Amino acid sequence: DQQVKQNSPSLSVQEGRISILNCDYTNSMFDYFLWYKKYPAEGPTFLISISSIKDKNEDGRFTVFLNKSAKHLSLHIVPSQPGDSAVYFCAASGASGGSNYKLTFGKGTLLTVNP
Amino acid sequence: DSGVTQTPKHLITATGQRVTLRCSPRSGDLSVYWYQQSLDQGLQFLIQYYNGEERAKGNILERFSAQQFPDLHSELNLSSLELGDSALYFCASSGSGNIGETQYFGPGTRLLVL
Repeated sequence: DQQVKQNSPSLSVQEGRISILNCDYTNSMFDYFLWYKKYPAEGPTFLISISSIKDKNEDGRFTVFLNKSAKHLSLHIVPSQPGDSAVYFCAASGASGGSNYKLTFGKGTLLTVNP
Repeated sequence: DSGVTQTPKHLITATGQRVTLRCSPRSGDLSVYWYQQSLDQGLQFLIQYYNGEERAKGNILERFSAQQFPDLHSELNLSSLELGDSALYFCASSGSGNIGETQYFGPGTRLLVL
């Protein structure tokens, strides 16, 4: 049972345009959400997070939106740059299954930003 | 560079063998996490240690075990290896291991079981 889903395996956008990566979750006990970026041959690196008490968090070109009623979050990158090309993982944590501490990851979305 | 180191980077072994993966957390971090990433799966949480004690367990097989030592480095032991154990194994660390805390990932160990 996949509790965090990233339904788009890949996304391609033009440099300078907006990239929107989506993530859905099923477990209503999740209350903290994170996005990680991963380049080939490297470990995931933390990008941005959001707590369930907020519906938006912004950090430079990156904004995460959370819609709790829809159990949906999205990552917006504006403007997109070729260096943003990577796999983006959505992750969630919360009081699920008795373990607050673990992160549950989606399978990732490969973003390609074309010059 | 996240500050988390993992050794070895690559490991090739045969079915039935046993291997040990090593992780050194970022300076000052007390909590260590292990994850497995196989071809068709996302990152799967295996186990978490905090200051030497096991804190949370995920989808870790009984053939796998881990520990965190007094100097806070951690080892993941994989035994009776099967072909399906071939994967990328990541270690991550965080300060106190509490909910919502950012985890910093190492570069991973790529394990190939032949």
